[in-house]
Amino acid sequence: EAQVTQNPRYLITVTGKKLTVTCSQNMNHEYMSWYRQDPGLGLRQIYYSMNVEVTDKGDVPEGYKVSRKEKRNFPLILESPSPNQTSLYFCASSLDRLGTGELFFGEGSRLTVL
Amino acid sequence: RKEVEQDPGPFNVPEGATVAFNCTYSNSASQSFFWYRQDCRKEPKLLMSVYSSGNEDGRFTAQLNRASQYISLLIRDSKLSDSATYLCVVTGFNNAGNMLTFGGGTRLMVKP
Repeated sequence: EAQVTQNPRYLITVTGKKLTVTCSQNMNHEYMSWYRQDPGLGLRQIYYSMNVEVTDKGDVPEGYKVSRKEKRNFPLILESPSPNQTSLYFCASSLDRLGTGELFFGEGSRLTVL
Repeated sequence: RKEVEQDPGPFNVPEGATVAFNCTYSNSASQSFFWYRQDCRKEPKLLMSVYSSGNEDGRFTAQLNRASQYISLLIRDSKLSDSATYLCVVTGFNNAGNMLTFGGGTRLMVKP
């Protein structure tokens, strides 16, 4: 089954404790991206990647890192999480390298930073 | 001004009603347009692409008005299962330089 898988789905952590949210897709998609969704602010792009070893900042990259060492994986790293990073995070992928085609989203990861 | 704007709603309509949402965008060079549907606490899923000539999929009709820079989504004969948040997505370079911008979403609630 074609899908985008994120882990963990739910996480409660404390300020400053490094964490990684994994994202994996099995559709051989070139484009992958991370979004956060907050009430009243909608979906905002954090980082995106058009190919292996190619990553670019989105609208709200501060406090996040990503890597794209393999085509299928695009982990999101919070080196020192803060409470303002409490949010619902979505990973997405697209066959279109520019991400202008259909986006396939993971089920989301709800992060709470205390 | 936001780059992509939607009325957040909620739009409360009875079953069987026809309802329409608009989404305005500020970048006249925007290239592609989409409507996504998002159920509560779930991931967004593509509802339909929006073509220059307009397109229809069953009870759903999407239109693009480039002159006035908006896209629209019309839902006929609303069903309870249509209750969701509808997100418009516009592609093209935005202020941050990247390609994709989401609207804030319009919430639809269809009542019996």
